[in-house]
This record gives sequence, structure tokens and C-alpha cells, in this order.
Amino acid sequence: DTGVSQDPRHKITKRGQNVTFRCDPISEHNRLYWYRQTLGQGPEFLTYFQNEAQLEKSRLLSDRFSAERPKGSFSTLEIQRTEQGDSAMYLCASSPQTSTDEQFFGPGTRLTVL
Amino acid sequence: DAKTTQPPSMDCAEGRAANLPCNHSTISGNEYVYWYRQIHSQGPQYIIHGLKNNETNEMASLIITEDRKSSTLILPHATLRDTAVYYCIAFEAGSGDKLTFGTGTRLAVRP
Repeated sequence: DTGVSQDPRHKITKRGQNVTFRCDPISEHNRLYWYRQTLGQGPEFLTYFQNEAQLEKSRLLSDRFSAERPKGSFSTLEIQRTEQGDSAMYLCASSPQTSTDEQFFGPGTRLTVL
Repeated sequence: DAKTTQPPSMDCAEGRAANLPCNHSTISGNEYVYWYRQIHSQGPQYIIHGLKNNETNEMASLIITEDRKSSTLILPHATLRDTAVYYCIAFEAGSGDKLTFGTGTRLAVRP
């Protein structure tokens, strides 16, 4: 399967713990996005990379959140000192740099903070 | 805030056409109308997009009004697998910008 992959698919953690998620985009897609989705809502933008450069961060991305994309390939999203309000589905998407900008989404990582 | 408004839910019978409306009265001239859908517990899936002409692909048709203030996504022969949340998004293609999702329309296809 050459689609966007995310790992893990599910994560249960205790409040105060750190968690890290990984996203592997479609190869040669230079744009990578992170979104967060809570129950009953549409996905909300968190941050965006073009190659290894982080070009935009949402106000939703507090200082407990950090994202990286070393070498412009896979990306990681880390949440430090998790809170119950961080429980959500974390979605990754990638897109090629073309005029259509279609974003391809991964299956998401569902985080539950107890 | 999303620039589009959609009904929260709709249903249709299997085998019939599903017509999903979207209002985007404040869309700017360089913004396209994109449609994505999200089947339960999966990531969103791109369906189709258009600027001002009607578009058709293997999944759906997109009809955009002449004034571009609204559009309709048409699934010509809905199946149970089309049950999903459908999102209409105004988006400036080529900008590398983020997608701004609203709450979408929950389509239920009845057997």
C-alpha cells in the first residue's frame, strides 16, 4: 500500500505522560499536514510542512505540542504532559506540489488520555 | 471559520442519486470548491473539486451555480458504502494551504 500511513493507530496513555505519533507520507509528496479531530467535529488544522520546513502552526498547537519532519520525509508529532482534552483523532495528510493540491489522508491515530 | 454551510444530515435510498448541497456565498474568485468524505473511523477521502465549470469523475459529479454561491455534489447511484460524512470546502488550489473543515453532512444510505 503506497498511501499515507500512521503509527500507532491507537494510543491510550495516562494524563501527564508524553506521546509521539509518526506519519509516513506518500513518497515524493513534499507537503505534509497534521490535523486533529474530536468527536462530531470536522478535522482541525494543526501544522503544515513543506519539505522539512514547518511553515504554519495553528493556535491549537500549544507549547506542549511539537512536530518535526527531518529530511522532509516522515513526520512526528509529540505531545508532552498530556491532558484529557488532548483525546482526539490525530490525522496526517500529504500532497504533491501541484495545482490541484489534493490532500491524501492517513487512517489517523486515536489518542485516549485517561 | 468554514466558509461553507451544509445541512447536518441527509438520507437516500440505495441505488438512487444522492444530491448534497453546499452554500458558499462568500467564496473568493480564486477559491475552488472541494469535496471530501469521511467514512466512520477512517481519514477523509478526496472526492472532486471544481472552480466554475461542472465536473465529473468516477466517484461523483459536481454542479456549481453560475454565480458560484452554491454547489451540489451528486452521487449518481448511492450504495451502502457511500454512508459517510461529506465535507464541502472552499480552498485556494496551488496555495499549499490547509483545509478548513466544517461539520459536514452526514449521509445515510438506506437499503
